[in-house]
Amino acid sequence: DAGVIQSPRHEVTEMGQEVTLRCKLISGHNSLFWYRQTMMRGLELLIYFNNNVPIDDSGMPEDRFSAKMPNASFSTLKIQPSEPRDSAVYFCASSGDSLSNQPQHFGDGTRLSIL
Amino acid sequence: GDSVTQMEGPVTLSEEAFLTINCTYTATGYPSLFWYVQYPGEGLQLLLKATKADDKGSNKGFEATYRKETTSFHLEKGSVQVSDSAVYFCALSQNDKIIFGKGTRLHILP
Repeated sequence: DAGVIQSPRHEVTEMGQEVTLRCKLISGHNSLFWYRQTMMRGLELLIYFNNNVPIDDSGMPEDRFSAKMPNASFSTLKIQPSEPRDSAVYFCASSGDSLSNQPQHFGDGTRLSIL
Repeated sequence: GDSVTQMEGPVTLSEEAFLTINCTYTATGYPSLFWYVQYPGEGLQLLLKATKADDKGSNKGFEATYRKETTSFHLEKGSVQVSDSAVYFCALSQNDKIIFGKGTRLHILP
């Protein structure tokens, strides 16, 4: 089975530009998580969805960040406008029916550099 | 609130040495506990898990026992290999929340 698929793997863009990160869940999974990883702050949960509905977005840094699930198998994380401090590796992960006992399956991440 | 604390790295060991990475947690109720591993350039992968007190999770020679009395879930391996070099994350989940520790980088020298 295919795992969680993220695209692009690398993105380099200038500050002020819009950035869109994409994630395809594992078939049959209905929970979706977006994380950001940096050396300074480690792994941070930005937002998670269950059955396409955002459950907790308290980790989203500010209004420049938005995430959507237009269907059950796909999600986007958008940054507009982007800033150099947004540079990080962004991971998405999916899991089965409920968060509590189900492990998460991570994609390989998008390495984002904002110049 | 709930939290996970794991030993700071990096941890450097020689091949075939015994490994322990400490993890303690703070939580109300009965969380599930996990260890994830991250290899360079990749996302996190589940290594092992335990869902209730005294459960032992094991995989690829790694083990961890859910100790409620000490609120710990220490990761151990009897004989590490160079290929075990990675970052290891302890995590707990409960009530629709998951909390990761800050990660411990492990270097194994040949």
